[in-house]
Amino acid sequence: DAGVTQSPTHLIKTRGQQVTLRCSPKSGHDTVSWYQQALGQGPQFIFQYYEEEERQRGNFPDRFSGHQFPNYSSELNVNALLLGDSALYLCASSLTGRTNYGYTFGSGTRLTVV
Amino acid sequence: ELKVEQNPLFLSMQEGKNYTIYCNYSTTSDRLYWYRQDPGKSLESLFVLLSNGAVKQEGRLMASLDTKARLSTLHITAAVHDLSATYFCAVDPSGGATNKLIFGTGTLLAVQP
Repeated sequence: DAGVTQSPTHLIKTRGQQVTLRCSPKSGHDTVSWYQQALGQGPQFIFQYYEEEERQRGNFPDRFSGHQFPNYSSELNVNALLLGDSALYLCASSLTGRTNYGYTFGSGTRLTVV
Repeated sequence: ELKVEQNPLFLSMQEGKNYTIYCNYSTTSDRLYWYRQDPGKSLESLFVLLSNGAVKQEGRLMASLDTKARLSTLHITAAVHDLSATYFCAVDPSGGATNKLIFGTGTLLAVQP
């Protein structure tokens, strides 16, 4: 049973560029949440997708956008990259209504903006 | 806004000793999660606590939840080097209605031989 898969694992971008990160949820899960984890900090909630719609959003600017596909996979897009966007981006999947079992996190994408 | 605070932020302990990590949160919630993170790695789920008084144990780790005090503890018994990692608690303020977690600041645990 595959867990959460994220790609790429590492990425280096230049300020001002755009980036797309991808996530495939654990088999059977229908909800995908994205988190940003800066070095030495706890993860911060970016947004969550369910039924191909953004259901909740954290305190992140509109430069951060996302999408969920019919197969429940998801993308995170960040436009006009800033140095401060350098972080580990984590995808977490779950099954709506079954959060008693917690959330499964992917291995993350390490984004470096130079 | 919900805040989740962990104490201590850094813990250096000797093998064989016991210690407790504390997680305080600022709003009502009956759902609390503990995760472990190794350097450069993702989050590994340790415990899911779903009600007041919940206690769960796995190996040398035991977690508890007091929703009235808005406090969770992660107790380490007879620490071993393999437990060295960063430990995060996370709260779901919606009580399970959504999948949004608010994470604590993390506790970096270093177990010395």
